[in-house]
Amino acid sequence: IILTQSPDTVSLSPGERATLSCRASQSVSSNYLAWYQQKAGQIPRVLIYGASTRATGIPDRFSGSGSGTDFTLTISRLEPEDSAVYYCQQYVNSRGSFGGGTKVEIK
Amino acid sequence: QVRLQESGPGLVKPSETLSLTCAVSGVSIRSNVWWIWVRQSPGKGLEWVGQIYPTGTTSYNPSLESRVTISMDKSKNHFSLSLTSVTAADTAMYYCARIDDCGGDCYFVDYWGRGTLVTVSS
Repeated sequence: IILTQSPDTVSLSPGERATLSCRASQSVSSNYLAWYQQKAGQIPRVLIYGASTRATGIPDRFSGSGSGTDFTLTISRLEPEDSAVYYCQQYVNSRGSFGGGTKVEIK
Repeated sequence: QVRLQESGPGLVKPSETLSLTCAVSGVSIRSNVWWIWVRQSPGKGLEWVGQIYPTGTTSYNPSLESRVTISMDKSKNHFSLSLTSVTAADTAMYYCARIDDCGGDCYFVDYWGRGTLVTVSS
């Protein structure tokens, strides 16, 4: 399954809302769709799993939604520390894959 | 505290075999979770390489399946990655990681190793 993320890069100001898209080439169960944040020089960390469940310690300004082939990560009220690359990840038929990533820049 | 630590050569020659080990501490690899490898080429995105379950069941990225083997040594509490016939395209940071599957109802990485950079060059 190919995951296509858009846009490639988004540049927004603190306090604005970011909407990141992840589109799958085939239907993905919502249970098996996750989102990760990777800051420069760091390992990824999970933000959302099961398409909409925030991982432990993740602020509520991060939210996930979607089903089937279209999923969205929303970051409301952007903060400077949200500057990172965001990846979606799916798991179907015992195989996983990641999207190409969306880079979020804070102006 | 769950910890994963990758080890292996940082430089591999083209056409040779890349071999990495992931030492797990703080939890037994016999626990009912998937243990996976993810790689990231310099400046690029994440790539799911493959996984192994304590029963020995494995599954691999179709694009790498002909060259990759993941194995487990329960006595040493570690698992390993072998990638044959490497080329420059296999140059990447290789991460080992643990999957949380919510008892079968989800799938995401909850623990990552720090990663090890492997360069393929003569």
